[in-house]
Amino acid sequence: DVKVTQSSRYLVKRTGEKVFLECVQDMDHENMFWYRQDPGLGLRLIYFSYDVKMKEKGDIPEGYSVSREKKERFSLILESASTNQTSMYLCASERLAGVSEQYFGPGTRLTVT
Amino acid sequence: GENVEQHPSTLSVQEGDSAVIKCTYSDSASNYFPWYKQELGKRPQLIIDIRSNVGEKKDQRIAVTLNKTAKHFSLHITETQPEDSAVYFCAANTGTYKYIFGTGTRLKVLA
Repeated sequence: DVKVTQSSRYLVKRTGEKVFLECVQDMDHENMFWYRQDPGLGLRLIYFSYDVKMKEKGDIPEGYSVSREKKERFSLILESASTNQTSMYLCASERLAGVSEQYFGPGTRLTVT
Repeated sequence: GENVEQHPSTLSVQEGDSAVIKCTYSDSASNYFPWYKQELGKRPQLIIDIRSNVGEKKDQRIAVTLNKTAKHFSLHITETQPEDSAVYFCAANTGTYKYIFGTGTRLKVLA
């Protein structure tokens, strides 16, 4: 029973390209997240959305933007990909902020060359 | 800024032994502490969580303890099995959208 899906498992892009990562959840959750996962650094929050068209910056929003036009879909956009954005990107959703389980997507491993 | 320190970064145990992973948080307002397990190539999944009004919680071979005074919480896995091999993440939350994650512990259970 897949609950959170991401558009790609692996992605290779060139420096300067615009990159779209999409996330879809089927649990009718209000809250959705984009994290970046790097070895030795754990999960770092890029952006959070608590409702359609609503967003909050996380710890590392520079170089990223997001879009949430529908409740079930949360997109991460790299406006001009750079090599230091090579990473694993994880999407997550949760029903209630800070008190319920976060459900993670399978991740997108992005390589920028 | 707020942070969560997690130790050790790697842990190897013999099958059947116990494993303990420790996390220390800095924000005394933290009140929700989940633990996630991430198997190789898979998504993180919640395995157990604890709230600040509880000192210990158990679920079969897994337990979590919380010491609010010392601001640390620990994951205990007893009778470890090869399928317990994974990366484990702790996190702390103050009741908002902001989770602070530890840096992860790679657990290897040796058969």
